[in-house]
Amino acid sequence: AQKITQTQPGMFVQEKEAVTLDCTYDTSDPSYGLFWYKQPSSGEMIFLIYQGSYDQQNATEGRYSLNFQKARKSANLVISASQLGDSAMYFCAMREMGNTGNQFYFGTGTSLTVIP
Amino acid sequence: NAGVMQNPRHLVRRRGQEARLRCSPMKGHSHVYWYRQLPEEGLKFMVYLQKENIIDESGMPKERFSAEFPKEGPSILRIQQVVRGDSAAYFCASSPGQGARETQYFGPGTRLLVL
Repeated sequence: AQKITQTQPGMFVQEKEAVTLDCTYDTSDPSYGLFWYKQPSSGEMIFLIYQGSYDQQNATEGRYSLNFQKARKSANLVISASQLGDSAMYFCAMREMGNTGNQFYFGTGTSLTVIP
Repeated sequence: NAGVMQNPRHLVRRRGQEARLRCSPMKGHSHVYWYRQLPEEGLKFMVYLQKENIIDESGMPKERFSAEFPKEGPSILRIQQVVRGDSAAYFCASSPGQGARETQYFGPGTRLLVL
């Protein structure tokens, strides 16, 4: 089974509108972390936001917020007030505490295009 | 505080040659991870190293690929006798420690093209 599933290969959003990028995960480890990264066309991976499995509140970082629904195993990224510079690939990732390798499992990504 | 550095940024090799990819982690980080990204795909874990130790190489092909993180100097991902299927972007990430909360910070990647 896929550890991380991103079902939206591509998304479009009007500038200044909000957009939600979906991410579901699969783990039996009670302790894990969820991450979102942005990959612009230049190729680097930029860390956006983190959510811990035991965190009581949804994470927020500026215009980014994470809609964490533990029972549904979803960790959707919400970008508010979209800007043209938000156009990029977005990857959801998970790290399991019980995994001694500490690797990140990445989804296949969602390509976001912000329309002026 | 400089970020994770990788070089070269682009590398072209002919089939059968060797590719050496270097990664210098962020200052203070002793954990290094290598990932491979094929076109239109997410990153796939290859290997996790700490100084002088390979902790987890479960994602690395058994043949032709090796990695090291010496006491001094950068981490090296080495691909021997490259084939066209090795063409990909190779990302290095580092973190200060381990644990679910530790964010991994990525370098800019090395784009390997095998002709």
